[in-house]
Amino acid sequence: QSVLTQPPSVSGAPGQTVTISCTGSSSNIGAGYDVHWYQQLPGTAPKLLVDDNNNRPSGVPDRFSGSKSGTSASLAITGLQAEDEAYYYCQSSASSLRVFGSGTKVTVL
Amino acid sequence: QVQLVESGGGVVQPGRSLRLSCAASGLNFNNYGMHWVRQAPGKGLEWVAVIWYDGSKKYYADSVKGRFTITRDNSKNTVYLQMNSLRAEDTATYYCARGGHVVVVTSNGGDFDPFAMWGQGTMVTVSS
Repeated sequence: QSVLTQPPSVSGAPGQTVTISCTGSSSNIGAGYDVHWYQQLPGTAPKLLVDDNNNRPSGVPDRFSGSKSGTSASLAITGLQAEDEAYYYCQSSASSLRVFGSGTKVTVL
Repeated sequence: QVQLVESGGGVVQPGRSLRLSCAASGLNFNNYGMHWVRQAPGKGLEWVAVIWYDGSKKYYADSVKGRFTITRDNSKNTVYLQMNSLRAEDTATYYCARGGHVVVVTSNGGDFDPFAMWGQGTMVTVSS
């Protein structure tokens, strides 16, 4: 059972915007720890997509954006593309430990 | 080329032990904390353990505390995960991931950096 809660799945047509929520608590996100987001394509290792709540590492398209408020965070994908179909995970900290979200499958219709 | 390469996975009986290795190349290994993250078949990601850049601090998920031990050998650019008393629920792909840089960790008082680099993973199956 994951510490951070995400919707199991979201879907959208190409070009649309989808948003993935990540709900934590006062012991992790709400305690001020940053939230990071990862994309995992089938059969591959996760890839860092957004770090420190809303920062995109070099090479990540600006279609991906993150935000954080209170005990929650969210990842938005604008202009959805076929290659965005993947699993997405949020991740934060809880004191010296790390916690992941339950994961969200994004389907491009 | 900067990369992390895990090895040591395989099939092991419940109650037995296994040691995973993760060899780093192309980075100043002794400047970074290192993590292990696992993923059971068809399931999500689960953080397992972290070791600071100098090995001075180690932290574990409750699910593995007392059974798993993370160590590192900076002379070999390698981090290890010793897994004892293995259970069926430890069956997963185990990834190593790069943690925080020494400068950031010491200024923040902890390793909260994202996992910017991952290995390809090594599969561990615990079954009789």
